[in-house]
Amino acid sequence: NAGVMQNPRHLVRRRGQEARLRCSPMKGHSHVYWYRQLPEEGLKFMVYLQKENIIDESGMPKERFSAEFPKEGPSILRIQQVVRGDSAAYFCASSQEGQGFGNEQFFGPGTRLTVL
Amino acid sequence: AQSVTQLDSHVSVSEGTPVLLRCNYSSSYSPSLFWYVQHPNKGLQLLLKYTSAATLVKGINGFEAEFKKSETSFHLTKPSAHMSDAAEYFCVVSMVGGSYIPTFGRGTSLIVHP
Repeated sequence: NAGVMQNPRHLVRRRGQEARLRCSPMKGHSHVYWYRQLPEEGLKFMVYLQKENIIDESGMPKERFSAEFPKEGPSILRIQQVVRGDSAAYFCASSQEGQGFGNEQFFGPGTRLTVL
Repeated sequence: AQSVTQLDSHVSVSEGTPVLLRCNYSSSYSPSLFWYVQHPNKGLQLLLKYTSAATLVKGINGFEAEFKKSETSFHLTKPSAHMSDAAEYFCVVSMVGGSYIPTFGRGTSLIVHP
């Protein structure tokens, strides 16, 4: 059973370009979470999704950032018109059930975004 | 509201000696507490979790943590460090009955010397 997969592992973009980060949850998991990790900091929650639904996006910046988890295919975190401050590691996690973080989340290896 | 403080950004030990990584939390509700480990360029792996059962929690790779409500602490320990334990460790809190959104500590880098 493959774990959570994220691609690309490394992404370089110039200011103003778009970044698309993909996350395939573990088989049988229907809940996906996105986190951002800035240098020397812990992970910050961004958004929680189930298939075709955004459950909680309270940690997502209001502009330029969007996320989706379609019925088929991976979850996508999209950052439009990237700026240098978007440079970070973005982690995806999945779980079988959602509510209550007592349900273990399994993390992917992350995508490291560098904005030049 | 909830928060978590990892008291040391770096901890350095010799192989075979005990490990102590400190974590204090604040939470308006009954907390769920977790420790995750992150090896370089890898995702986070759950070491152990406390969810209001036994206060002494045993995890993988010989790690354990004790929930002390009076001290609002959840320190991670291991009797004898191994070179492979060198990694970043994150203490995480979420609230039972409140927001499930977890709050991560800033991390403690464990350095193990031969």
